[in-house]
Amino acid sequence: AQSVTQLDSQVPVFEEAPVELRCNYSSSVSVYLFWYVQYPNQGLQLLLKYLSGSTLVKGINGFEAEFNKSQTSFHLRKPSVHISDTAEYFCAVSERGGGFKTIFGAGTRLFVKA
Amino acid sequence: GAVVSQHPSWVICKSGTSVKIECRSLDFQATTMFWYRQFPKQSLMLMATSNEGSKATYEQGVEKDKFLINHASLTLSTLTVTSAHPEDSSFYICSAPDTQNTEAFFGQGTRLTVV
Repeated sequence: AQSVTQLDSQVPVFEEAPVELRCNYSSSVSVYLFWYVQYPNQGLQLLLKYLSGSTLVKGINGFEAEFNKSQTSFHLRKPSVHISDTAEYFCAVSERGGGFKTIFGAGTRLFVKA
Repeated sequence: GAVVSQHPSWVICKSGTSVKIECRSLDFQATTMFWYRQFPKQSLMLMATSNEGSKATYEQGVEKDKFLINHASLTLSTLTVTSAHPEDSSFYICSAPDTQNTEAFFGQGTRLTVV
């Protein structure tokens, strides 16, 4: 079984500042890793995913994440945030070969202040 | 990318009635779909795996007689909330992996309010 821990429930940050949203996972098998964003009363939008290959993954809207196998982490970063980045961010895992049955972390609320 | 369409996007129903939510893969076939529930300010919890041509697989603690899942075709799965109660009010989201299995695509969600 897999589990995902998002270490921060809320992250307030000023506009144009860098941000890191932390994610650690636990699994006895190889996994795929994802970050999703959810705006109020909307569905999920995929920011980026790690399937294999380079451990630094670039996604949409200037976000990137780095897969660290030894630390079982997949932290999300953005060098300069905008007000429009205010949203809920979910880290998620799915087992390789498991048909993308996805387990989500509790979520991190990113709040960008002017 | 592939598109998963969910309908309706929101629904209000009276206690005791049943509500059906549809999840369609528009441009690909999905032998498997997943249903999630999200309570306000919480994460998405997997409810069940919908399998075309066979019974759904429910996660622990999810009542299969209350949340009926039917995977009618390779592009359609339905979730029926039977005898709905106010505590069933939630955001329900489905997902389907694409045929090349590079990721799961999510529907836009259905906001269910039971009054």
